[in-house]
Order: sequence, then structure tokens, then C-alpha cells
Amino acid sequence: ETGVTQTPRHLVMGMTNKKSLKCEQHLGHNAMYWYKQSAKKPLELMFVYSLEERVENNSVPSRFSPECPNSSHLFLHLHTLQPEDSALYLCASSQDVREGSPLHFGNGTRLTVT
Amino acid sequence: ILNVEQSPQSLHVQEGDSTNFTCSFPSSNFYALHWYRWETAKSPEALFVMTLNGDEKKKGRISATLNTKEGYSYLYIKGSQPEDSATYLCAFHMNYGGSQGNLIFGKGTKLSVKP
Repeated sequence: ETGVTQTPRHLVMGMTNKKSLKCEQHLGHNAMYWYKQSAKKPLELMFVYSLEERVENNSVPSRFSPECPNSSHLFLHLHTLQPEDSALYLCASSQDVREGSPLHFGNGTRLTVT
Repeated sequence: ILNVEQSPQSLHVQEGDSTNFTCSFPSSNFYALHWYRWETAKSPEALFVMTLNGDEKKKGRISATLNTKEGYSYLYIKGSQPEDSATYLCAFHMNYGGSQGNLIFGKGTKLSVKP
């Protein structure tokens, strides 16, 4: 399997639940990203990892907790979310953070917080 | 606040029409300009990464131009087909330590091509 794979595709969770989103890339890339897309807003960068180290955190609330155990896997741990966190969460990878290389996206996880 | 503006927001054309849309971005601290195509229920797919002023790139019937001095890029589609229906995103890659993390997306132009 090649490309960027995200699971689950859809997730409904209550505000007191804890869940995790998973992302896996088989492209040999060194950088991985979490993006959020809310309705009628542009894609917003949440986190960037380069070689398993977090290099950017765009003032994301602590109820979102990323984890990058190796360069092929990225998780987003969710706890005590709010209804306004309902959105499409996209994972992406690129060859390196410092090159002008394109992002390769997964299909996203559609999250609904009830 | 850095802004990337795309226009129009949406576009409806007939099959065979040629079309173009615009991406406006800050003209300072430029590093690269990305274009992506995002079809419904699929993942965004990279079309072009452009770095040089005056650059022109082509992929099949789709081409793009870049003007970094005035801060705009045009995407052209020649002879639109129904399969071109998608949202086209541009993203401005700011030169701030060269980090890919500084990729600022526009809201996109949604193109619908009627057969």
C-alpha cells in the first residue's frame, strides 16, 4: 500500500470521550502534518513533525495531543473536545519540512463532537 | 495577519469551456506557491509547486503562472471536462526559516463542469 492512510474515516464522540486519530505514510517522507478544516474556512495547520520531532505547534488547545512514534506514523489524541472542534482532520506528509516539496494528503477523518 | 485570497469562490462552466482563477498572496517573504486539486470524497492532490517569478507550469490541460512581485498566481484549465470538477486550493509558502509549516491556504475555488 502506498500513500497516506488515515483511520477512522468518520468519528462521532461525546465531549467526555477520549479517542485517537491515526495516520500512516508509506512514501518514505520525513515530515508529517495535522491540518484542520472547519466549514467555510481554509485549511489550518495544527502540528508539524520532522523526523519524529515536533517543529511547529500553531497554538492548538491542549485537548489535542499529537504523537509521532516514528517517521511513518502520526497520531492525534483527542480528549474533552468541544462541539466547535467538529471538523475534517487531514494528515499530510512531505519529503522534508525545508524543501518546497508538495504535501501528500490522506482522505481525512470527519469528526463530530456531540 | 497573512491572507491568501482566491477568486472566484465558485465557478460553473460548460464542458469544453476554458477557465481561469486567481490566487493572491503577500508579495514579501515569498518562498513557494502551491496549487492543489481536491475532488469530493478524495484527498487533496498536488498540482504544482512554483518558486520563481515568471514561472509557468503545465500538466495536461492545466497550467499555472506566477508573479511574486505583485503577489498573484493564475490557474488555467483549457477545455474543461466534468472530471475537472473539484475545489482548487492555493497555498503560500512563506520564507520564515524555510519551514514547510508556514504554508497558508486559501479557501479555494470550487469548479463545477456541466456535461
